[in-house]
Amino acid sequence: QKEVEQDPGPLSVPEGAIVSLNCTYSNSAFQYFMWYRQYSRKGPELLMYTYSSGNKEDGRFTAQVDKSSKYISLFIRDSQPSDSATYLCAARIQGAQKLVFGQGTRLTINP
Amino acid sequence: GAVVSQHPSRVICKSGTSVKIECRSLDFQATTMFWYRQFPKQSLMLMATSNEGSKATYEQGVEKDKFLINHASLTLSTLTVTSAHPEDSSFYICSGSAGDTQYFGPGTRLTVL
Repeated sequence: QKEVEQDPGPLSVPEGAIVSLNCTYSNSAFQYFMWYRQYSRKGPELLMYTYSSGNKEDGRFTAQVDKSSKYISLFIRDSQPSDSATYLCAARIQGAQKLVFGQGTRLTINP
Repeated sequence: GAVVSQHPSRVICKSGTSVKIECRSLDFQATTMFWYRQFPKQSLMLMATSNEGSKATYEQGVEKDKFLINHASLTLSTLTVTSAHPEDSSFYICSGSAGDTQYFGPGTRLTVL
């Protein structure tokens, strides 16, 4: 079992829809959680960063962490074609620098 | 957010030659940098962790004599692929550690003929 599991998709939704991307993890020591967006042939770009449980909102993006169920979510409101990319969740434990990544979910927003 | 650059963005070389990839943190000092490899439609695979002024720590299965990493300053790390072969063709991405997270470079696509 991988430490961070993520459905690779692909996921295709119409423009304007709310997108829900999810990851589960097995290591209860994870304290820091991140979402990265990666466009084709580019490096990952940090979208959201949260510590421990709770919600964090930034514009159209909301990240949720539920440590009791070991579940990480990213919601995209009013999705745009420019949101089409691969989304990677990542986690790390306190005191460690290494990130553990999910497999990434390929998302396509159709105009 | 913090900015990381990589050079070159794309390189094509002949089998048996060595290739050097540079990774720079442009607006922050990265005491730790990471090198990843990514195959098409797959996630990032960590190759090694490098700390400024010390030897890199390689992940299991990564040949340290083949993938030479140097982190001579707080803003520059280099990855040299020695005696490259076609199976080394991949997308190589570096990142710098800033605060509690990592910021990634744009990647270098290596093609070995």
